[in-house]
Amino acid sequence: GNSVTQMEGPVTLSEEAFLTINCTYTATGYPSLFWYVQYPGEGLQLLLKATKADDKGSNKGFEATYRKETTSFHLEKGSVQVSDSAVYFCALSGRSSNYKLTFGKGTLLTVNP
Amino acid sequence: DGGITQSPKYLFRKEGQNVTLSCEQNLNHDAMYWYRQDPGQGLRLIYYSQIVNDFQKGDIAEGYSVSREKKESFPLTVTSAQKNPTAFYLCASSIQEDRGPMGTGELFFGEGSRLTVL
Repeated sequence: GNSVTQMEGPVTLSEEAFLTINCTYTATGYPSLFWYVQYPGEGLQLLLKATKADDKGSNKGFEATYRKETTSFHLEKGSVQVSDSAVYFCALSGRSSNYKLTFGKGTLLTVNP
Repeated sequence: DGGITQSPKYLFRKEGQNVTLSCEQNLNHDAMYWYRQDPGQGLRLIYYSQIVNDFQKGDIAEGYSVSREKKESFPLTVTSAQKNPTAFYLCASSIQEDRGPMGTGELFFGEGSRLTVL
């Protein structure tokens, strides 16, 4: 079945540092890939997505590239802010799971001023 | 504004009591979902519904029940049979077309309900 493995946290950075959160997946076929963000006490919001190999999703300074050869979708940001402190979830959706989302366990990011 | 509304935001219940969490959406989405979130475990699917009057079990349906009598509503009942009900519950919805081969599977989430069993 489908699965998502993401970097375990927590991750603590200083403001303006570079961020990478690793995400790798196992799936048959060609899944769509997502990063969702959850701010404290709230539900999840879609941060970015990519639907085919080599696509780059981007939003709010975050980027992730769909790498089929390495089955990865790593999240990056060049300069994090305190307001980026949240839990980040990598997820995939594909035919083999009847298009239900499969989530990773989440990575808590804390950015200090 | 269109969106998903969950209520209550916080709920306390005594052991042995059933409790129902509300989820309403005005996005005109066909599919709706309930997830449970526990620290360090990510999100686990409880139930989902692709159309009115139909729903399917997810990965952890035991001790839960749902109904889908209206397109916009998908309430979740946590029964006394659920052995460890204290958790954060998230409702979500999606466009039915987005779930197929031409879609992306993107979900739209509510703000969640935190249930604590005393």
